[in-house]
Amino acid sequence: DQQVKQNSPSLSVQEGRISILNCDYTNSMFDYFLWYKKYPAEGPTFLISISSIKDKNEDGRFTVFLNKSAKHLSLHIVPSQPGDSAVYFCAARDPTNAGKSTFGDGTTLTVKP
Amino acid sequence: DAMVIQNPRYQVTQFGKPVTLSCSQTLNHNVMYWYQQKSSQAPKLLFHYYDKDFNNEADTPDNFQSRRPNTSFCFLDIRSPGLGDAAMYLCATSRSPGGTDTQYFGPGTRLTVL
Repeated sequence: DQQVKQNSPSLSVQEGRISILNCDYTNSMFDYFLWYKKYPAEGPTFLISISSIKDKNEDGRFTVFLNKSAKHLSLHIVPSQPGDSAVYFCAARDPTNAGKSTFGDGTTLTVKP
Repeated sequence: DAMVIQNPRYQVTQFGKPVTLSCSQTLNHNVMYWYQQKSSQAPKLLFHYYDKDFNNEADTPDNFQSRRPNTSFCFLDIRSPGLGDAAMYLCATSRSPGGTDTQYFGPGTRLTVL
């Protein structure tokens, strides 16, 4: 049973437009959520995070929104740039399970010039 | 630059032939993780070390073992690789297992089993 789901395997967006990547989770014990970005032939790198006590966190072009009641979070990238093309992983942390992170399957974002 | 290094980047082994993957870090982090990632799937945690304490995931096969001889190094041993073990193996580190600490990943080792 997958506790973190990214239902869109891929997303294609025009340069300059908004990219919205979605993530759903089932475990209500998750208290911290992270987004990682992965380029080919590299490991995932941390992008942005949000605590469950907040509903929004912004860092430059990247904003993460958390809707706890819906168990849903989203990553917004505005404006999207070709260099943003990568695989984006959503991860959630369970403090009752040694703080281990559970990852989604990832969404491949392609930003077209 | 402080980083997480994995060697080799590509490893080919034969069915049933033991193989060891290596990870080192210069971040001086307390926690080191090993993940298995198959194509288009989420990274799956195999186990982690918190300092010298080994923490195995319940569903990690006995075929997978790990060693951490010191803070900087951690090894993944696959005793008898099967075709289903072909995957990308990611090593990661963090200062602590939980809280708000993020994980720093190495580039991964892609294992092929012939």
